[in-house]
Amino acid sequence: KAGVTQTPRYLIKTRGQQVTLSCSPISGHRSVSWYQQTPGQGLQFLFEYFSETQRNKGNFPGRFSGRQFSNSRSEMNVSTLELGDSALYLCASSPTSGAINEQFFGPGTRLTVL
Amino acid sequence: AQSVSQHNHHVILSEAASLELGCNYSYGGTVNLFWYVQYPGQHLQLLLKYFSGDPLVKGIKGFEAEFIKSKFSFNLRKPSVQWSDTAEYFCAVNARTSGANNLFFGTGTRLTVIP
Repeated sequence: KAGVTQTPRYLIKTRGQQVTLSCSPISGHRSVSWYQQTPGQGLQFLFEYFSETQRNKGNFPGRFSGRQFSNSRSEMNVSTLELGDSALYLCASSPTSGAINEQFFGPGTRLTVL
Repeated sequence: AQSVSQHNHHVILSEAASLELGCNYSYGGTVNLFWYVQYPGQHLQLLLKYFSGDPLVKGIKGFEAEFIKSKFSFNLRKPSVQWSDTAEYFCAVNARTSGANNLFFGTGTRLTVIP
């Protein structure tokens, strides 16, 4: 099976712009979670989508949003970018929602905000 | 709220040395525990996981971890490290009752193995 794929792999934006990141889960997986990884804060949970519905949300401002499509692919959007949004954004998929699941991570999208 | 502490930020070992990386979590309920590894230039991969049962779990590449409930700990061990184990290691936890896939990660431990 192909793994989790994320596009684009690298992105450079300027402050105030918005950005959309894409994640394709492993075939058959219906849950997609997003994480932000920075040197200072480590890995932090953004949100989880399952069956096109947001199941859970981390402690991030409303500028961070997402959605999931009927084929389980997910997109994450960040509006009005700030310098502090520079990070590696990781997507993880699992077969279902629920805590007793292993998550499979993608390679990430490296976002740089100038 | 859940939190995870990894006290060792950077560990440097010679090949064949034994490894133990500490992980402590704070949460009063039942948890699932994970160790993930991130090799240089690669994505996060699961090393091992604990959901229930035998508190000593074995993972890939000779790694094991022991869940000690009374100490809220889930330390990672390997009897003899190799140069290829150089990577960053993350401990993670989620609450069994949360019903959601949100993992809380520690800040990671960077392991450097010297040949």
